[in-house]
Amino acid sequence: EAEVAQSPRYKITEKSQAVAFWCDPISGHATLYWYRQILGQGPELLVQFQDESVVDDSQLPKDRFSAERLKGVDSTLKIQPAELGDSAMYLCASSMGQGGLLQETQYFGPGTRLLVL
Amino acid sequence: AQKVTQAQTEISVVEKEDVTLDCVYETRDTTYYLFWYKQPPSGELVFLIRRNSFDEQNEISGRYSWNFQKSTSSFNFTITASQVVDSAVYFCALSSGNTPLVFGKGTRLSVIA
Repeated sequence: EAEVAQSPRYKITEKSQAVAFWCDPISGHATLYWYRQILGQGPELLVQFQDESVVDDSQLPKDRFSAERLKGVDSTLKIQPAELGDSAMYLCASSMGQGGLLQETQYFGPGTRLLVL
Repeated sequence: AQKVTQAQTEISVVEKEDVTLDCVYETRDTTYYLFWYKQPPSGELVFLIRRNSFDEQNEISGRYSWNFQKSTSSFNFTITASQVVDSAVYFCALSSGNTPLVFGKGTRLSVIA
């Protein structure tokens, strides 16, 4: 069964350091999403890509966060510099991106748990 | 604005009991989609069901069933004869307007053997 891959699964870093997370969506899925999930909360969208283009990054803290999907396949989310409040689960999801995005089911990866010390 | 409320933060049941997880949503759109996801301790969100706003038929899948009522803006999820493997956090989510997916805060279900 096709899955969304993410790495690393766990990351511990010190504040002010740079961190990067990688996501490989389900093959053929044009739409890719990055979410942040704080402990005890639901996931919140950070950025959405359609192929290599950013569709929505309105909730991405652009002073320290960046995301790219250069070839429209896998994607990298970077934080520089990391702050204590960035400790969270970072989830990647993908959907087919062929119809109305409203109705598409998103499939999630296992996430990266980030701890900033 | 779109909003999903899962009022039950945590629920504990004994194995084989039935349990219902509540979900109430808010949207001004007439076309919208509702989802349920399961998040086990390993962390990934597992898709369970998608329902559009024009289909109010209840759905059953094995021990899982969903009750969609537009009149009360609710999309509740029932697990029949719960098992320890059902222990997880369950999220209800809404897709409408220009927002792809808005999640509730989740309900943590603990099934005790």
